[in-house]
Amino acid sequence: DQQVKQNSPSLSVQEGRISILNCDYTNSMFDYFLWYKKYPAEGPTFLISISSIKDKNEDGRFTVFLNKSAKHLSLHIVPSQPGDSAVYFCAARTQNRDDKIIFGKGTRLHILP
Amino acid sequence: NAGVTQTPKFQVLKTGQSMTLQCAQDMNHNSMYWYRQDPGMGLRLIYYSASEGTTDKGEVPNGYNVSRLNKREFSLRLESAAPSQTSVYFCASSASRGVYGYTFGSGTRLTVV
Repeated sequence: DQQVKQNSPSLSVQEGRISILNCDYTNSMFDYFLWYKKYPAEGPTFLISISSIKDKNEDGRFTVFLNKSAKHLSLHIVPSQPGDSAVYFCAARTQNRDDKIIFGKGTRLHILP
Repeated sequence: NAGVTQTPKFQVLKTGQSMTLQCAQDMNHNSMYWYRQDPGMGLRLIYYSASEGTTDKGEVPNGYNVSRLNKREFSLRLESAAPSQTSVYFCASSASRGVYGYTFGSGTRLTVV
């Protein structure tokens, strides 16, 4: 049973426009949500996170929105740049003390020139 | 540079051979993790160690063993490699309850023929 779902395997966006990556989850016990970015032949790197008690967190061009009632979060990138082309993983952390993070399958973002 | 170091970066094994993937972190993190990444499957947790001296199974532990040698090092062993274990393996570490999630290594690309 997939607890973190990214239903779009890929997304293409024109350079300069907004990229919106979506993520759904099923477990109400998640207390933190995170986005990771991954380039080919590299490990994932942390991008931005949001606590379950908030509905928005912003860091430069990146904003994450959380809708707890819908169990949905989204990552907005404005404006999109060529270097944003990568795979983006949505992830969620449980409130257990073991600090495990569960990842979605990822969305490949292509920024078109 | 501080971070997570994985060795080797690439490896080809014959079916039935054994090998150990090494991982070390120098950030004084308590928790360490082993993931595998397969196309269309995202990142799946193999084993984790919440603290020195403890290890626990993740989502896909079959065919693997781990050792938390000390606080810095967490190794993953394949006793009898199978083609189904062809994958990219990532080691990660985290401070306990860190809000930035994990720091990942750059990965080991393993092919079993």
